[in-house]
Amino acid sequence: DGGITQSPKYLFRKEGQNVTLSCEQNLNHDAMYWYRQDPGQGLRLIYYSQIVNDFQKGDIAEGYSVSREKKESFPLTVTSAQKNPTAFYLCASSSGQPLTDEQYFGPGTRLTVT
Amino acid sequence: AQSVTQLDSHVSVSEGTPVLLRCNYSSSYSPSLFWYVQHPNKGLQLLLKYTSAATLVKGINGFEAEFKKSETSFHLTKPSAHMSYAAEYFCVVRFYNFNKFYFGSGTKLNVKP
Repeated sequence: DGGITQSPKYLFRKEGQNVTLSCEQNLNHDAMYWYRQDPGQGLRLIYYSQIVNDFQKGDIAEGYSVSREKKESFPLTVTSAQKNPTAFYLCASSSGQPLTDEQYFGPGTRLTVT
Repeated sequence: AQSVTQLDSHVSVSEGTPVLLRCNYSSSYSPSLFWYVQHPNKGLQLLLKYTSAATLVKGINGFEAEFKKSETSFHLTKPSAHMSYAAEYFCVVRFYNFNKFYFGSGTKLNVKP
């Protein structure tokens, strides 16, 4: 089955620790995205990548880092510099073709930092 | 500047009555428009999309949306609500010249028995 997987579904960390969230897709999509979702605030774009070995900051990139070494994978690291990391994180991918582009979402990872 | 506005943060309807979730966008560029649904603690699922073909778009579970260029709107409708449709709905826009998707702030639909 084609789709996007995110792991783990729930993640717990102590304050001050870096943590990496996994996102894998087998849709052969060029573009991948990371969003953060907080209650009542919709989705906010953290980083996106349109092609392997390239990525751009979104609206709230501070305290996060990403890599795109493989087309299928776009891991997100939440660093200790992120002041309020507890949130629901969603990964998405799309073909990147303007006329037919649509996003496919993973099931999300809920990160709790205490 | 490009933006998407969902006019209602919460909508409450009775089961069996029509649903209307409103979405307006702002841009001079040609858009692709999407509606997604999200159940609690889940990812987003695509309900329907408009990509410059027919202006009345039909999606899953009988949802429809009509693209009105003159009003820059893409409202989501359903003739009869069901308890299982209670969720949060997001209007999303992609403009042809920009490699980004713009999200509305979401509308939570509550369906009363």
